[in-house]
Amino acid sequence: NAGVMQNPRHLVRRRGQEARLRCSPMKGHSHVYWYRQLPEEGLKFMVYLQKENIIDESGMPKERFSAEFPKEGPSILRIQQVVRGDSAAYFCASSPSLFSGRPYEQYFGPGTRLTVT
Amino acid sequence: GEDVEQSLFLSVREGDSSVINCTYTDSSSTYLYWYKQEPGAGLQLLTYIFSNMDMKQDQRLTVLLNKKDKHLSLRIADTQTGDSAIYFCAESISGYSTLTFGKGTMLLVSP
Repeated sequence: NAGVMQNPRHLVRRRGQEARLRCSPMKGHSHVYWYRQLPEEGLKFMVYLQKENIIDESGMPKERFSAEFPKEGPSILRIQQVVRGDSAAYFCASSPSLFSGRPYEQYFGPGTRLTVT
Repeated sequence: GEDVEQSLFLSVREGDSSVINCTYTDSSSTYLYWYKQEPGAGLQLLTYIFSNMDMKQDQRLTVLLNKKDKHLSLRIADTQTGDSAIYFCAESISGYSTLTFGKGTMLLVSP
């Protein structure tokens, strides 16, 4: 059973470009969370999605950031017009459905390290 | 202040026990977690405890929860060099809610 997969693992973008980060949840998981980790900091919540729905985006910056989890395919975190302050590690986590009996377990992917030059 | 606080660094010798401490402020926290992060890697779920429990043991790991003081600890018995990593404490309010993390405790195990 493959774990949470993220790609790319490393992404370099110049200021003003767009960054697209992908996350495929664990098999059977229907909930996806995105977190951002700045250097020497803990993880900060950004957005929580189910298929075709954004459940909680209270941690997302109001501008330039968007996320989706389509019916088919991976979840995408999109950052438009990147700035140097966007440089960070972006982690995706997934959790199983309520019917699994263990919806409180979040499993993390390896992360995408974004560098903005 | 931060919702979840941890000491930043702990150094122990191989074979000793390690105790990593965490305090949280949200009294409605229902689930409390410990994650391990090795350099350049994602977070590995080590263990978690429900707020109605005082203790949970899983092989070399023991979690203690003092709900009155909002204090959580992780004890690693017989610490090995492979345990060197950053350990994050996290809380959530319900099964589907987001996790709030501390800044992490770097554990260094020397031979």
